Amino acid sequence: DADVTQTPRNRITKTGKRIMLECSQTKGHDRMYWYRQDPGLGLRLIYYSFDVKDINKGEISDGYSVSRQAQAKFSLSLESAIPNQTALYFCATSDYSDRAVSTDTQYFGPGTRLTVL
Amino acid sequence: AQRVTQPEKLLSVFKGAPVELKCNYSYSGSPELFWYVQYSRQRLQLLLRHISRESIKGFTADLNKGETSFHLKKPFAQEEDSAMYYCALQGGYGQNFVFGPGTRLSVLP
Repeated sequence: DADVTQTPRNRITKTGKRIMLECSQTKGHDRMYWYRQDPGLGLRLIYYSFDVKDINKGEISDGYSVSRQAQAKFSLSLESAIPNQTALYFCATSDYSDRAVSTDTQYFGPGTRLTVL
Repeated sequence: AQRVTQPEKLLSVFKGAPVELKCNYSYSGSPELFWYVQYSRQRLQLLLRHISRESIKGFTADLNKGETSFHLKKPFAQEEDSAMYYCALQGGYGQNFVFGPGTRLSVLP
């Protein structure tokens, strides 16, 4: 689904560097999410935002911060990257609306593979 | 606490054989359950949701509240079913999702 895009798609960085991962969507959804995927652990929620002024911590927010610049943009930052933040990062959106119309499906971006050396 | 478990990391079956991907959950209320799939070089996408009671690509899943399970089944596996499958739980409409660790299905020719 090309409506959710992530940049960069791959990034290699060094310990201590600040990294920003960006997510953009053209679906018009209010809700956006950042997950990380690790082998054997599935997807774990880092941060989520229900609208531009509403940002919440997820299961594993330590070491991360986010910015919701607009309805369509949600950025994830690693202030000082460390090797155990090496993972595949996914952005997702969902449309919370009348239950009779929407079933709150999550729409995922293609992922960003981050390697911290 | 909400939790989703998928006991098999890898499941291999031959083409035409039945397949069952197991999913168990822990949640005190009445959750909504989903199966998401990620095919090679494609992004994660919704396969089916229990509330719709639908069959997608020949897959079905029945919510068993007594056993707290939501196993995914298909009577005759196809090679194109090879993918990573994630079971997910949503505690209530509009709440966050909790994903299982995933099962990689490999359908052999």
